[in-house]
Amino acid sequence: ETGVTQSPTHLIKTRGQQVTLRCSSQSGHNTVSWYQQALGQGPQFIFQYYREEENGRGNFPPRFSGLQFPNYSSELNVNALELDDSALYLCASSLGPGTGNTGELFFGEGSRLTVL
Amino acid sequence: DQQVKQNSPSLSVQEGRISILNCDYTNSMFDYFLWYKKYPAEGPTFLISISSIKDKNEDGRFTVFLNKSAKHLSLHIVPSQPGDSAVYFCAASGGDMRFGAGTRLTVKP
Repeated sequence: ETGVTQSPTHLIKTRGQQVTLRCSSQSGHNTVSWYQQALGQGPQFIFQYYREEENGRGNFPPRFSGLQFPNYSSELNVNALELDDSALYLCASSLGPGTGNTGELFFGEGSRLTVL
Repeated sequence: DQQVKQNSPSLSVQEGRISILNCDYTNSMFDYFLWYKKYPAEGPTFLISISSIKDKNEDGRFTVFLNKSAKHLSLHIVPSQPGDSAVYFCAASGGDMRFGAGTRLTVKP
């Protein structure tokens, strides 16, 4: 059973550029959630994808967008990068969204983005 | 919107003693509460959870207590070990999962 993998692990961009982060979910998981963790803070919910559809979104602007593919892997895209977008971006997979289950998340190691 | 709050950024405890980490939440619609542990350069890993219909869940050295009327939960680690030193995140689930800011636990030998 493979765990959640993310790529790239580190990257540096300049303000105004665009970035794509990738995530492979754990085997058997159909739900992927993306989180942004700024230094000294807890993970902040960006959005969740369930069966290729967005299934919930946190307080992030539209320049944060995502995709989920038929194999349940996912991408996070951020356009028009700002300095404050510098953070660790965490992907987490789970068995399913919604109530009725613990929704336990399995996290990858994250992609650390630095915007200069 | 800070729906989940951990007001203590750090906690230091002697090995063998009890560690108590606290968490408060504001949304009464949360139905599961979880604790995650994070080591440097790793993603958070699940530690223990509790359903909103229970007030206690125990797993070895780890016990989570839930006080719904106070919208408060706590994680007790007894006895604390140096390997428990990490950042602990409280999380609440009601569809998507919301996290607190974390508490850095240091267990001194």
